[in-house]
Amino acid sequence: QKEVEQNSGPLSVPEGAIASLNCTYSDRVSQSFFWYRQYSGKSPELIMSIYSNGDKEDGRFTAQLNKASQYVSLLIRDSQPSDSATYLCAVNKQDSSASKIIFGSGTRLSIRP
Amino acid sequence: GAGVSQSPRYKVAKRGQDVALRCDPISGHVSLFWYQQALGQGPEFLTYFQNEAQLDKSGLPSDRFFAERPEGSVSTLKIQRTQQEDSAVYLCASSSYRSSYNEQFFGPGTRLTVL
Repeated sequence: QKEVEQNSGPLSVPEGAIASLNCTYSDRVSQSFFWYRQYSGKSPELIMSIYSNGDKEDGRFTAQLNKASQYVSLLIRDSQPSDSATYLCAVNKQDSSASKIIFGSGTRLSIRP
Repeated sequence: GAGVSQSPRYKVAKRGQDVALRCDPISGHVSLFWYQQALGQGPEFLTYFQNEAQLDKSGLPSDRFFAERPEGSVSTLKIQRTQQEDSAVYLCASSSYRSSYNEQFFGPGTRLTVL
């Protein structure tokens, strides 16, 4: 079992709709969770981080964390064609100290006009 | 610049050659990470430094891979006797010690192709 699992997609969503991306992780001691966006041929760009159970909103993005279910998700409201990219879920096991991040394989999102 | 920089952006090596990849982290960032990303996969951890100390090198795939950060700033990832399976994008990321989330910011990467 991979430590961080994501559906590889592609996930196709009409412009203006809500895109929902999901991720599960296996290690219960995981503390910090991240969503990175990666355009083709580019490096990952951090778009959201979440630490506590519940929702965290930033503009059109909402991250949701449920530690009991070991589940983290990303919602993108009012999807735009520029949101078409691969979204990487990432998990850091340690709290407030630098350590490695474990990435999922990513979900390809396509926003159709 | 304000971000992480890496050089070269592209490197083509013949099998058996040695290569050196450079990373210049965000100014003041204490932690520096190297990742390897194969096509269609997420980044895979290689090694991490806090200042000049290499605290974790568990992800280095073989003893042909070596990383250093002698003055706690710029880092070099060296691959000796390159093999075709080393072809990948090598990503460097840095993190501020003061970030409670340990948010890591990536450079543009070096695409290595071994022929």
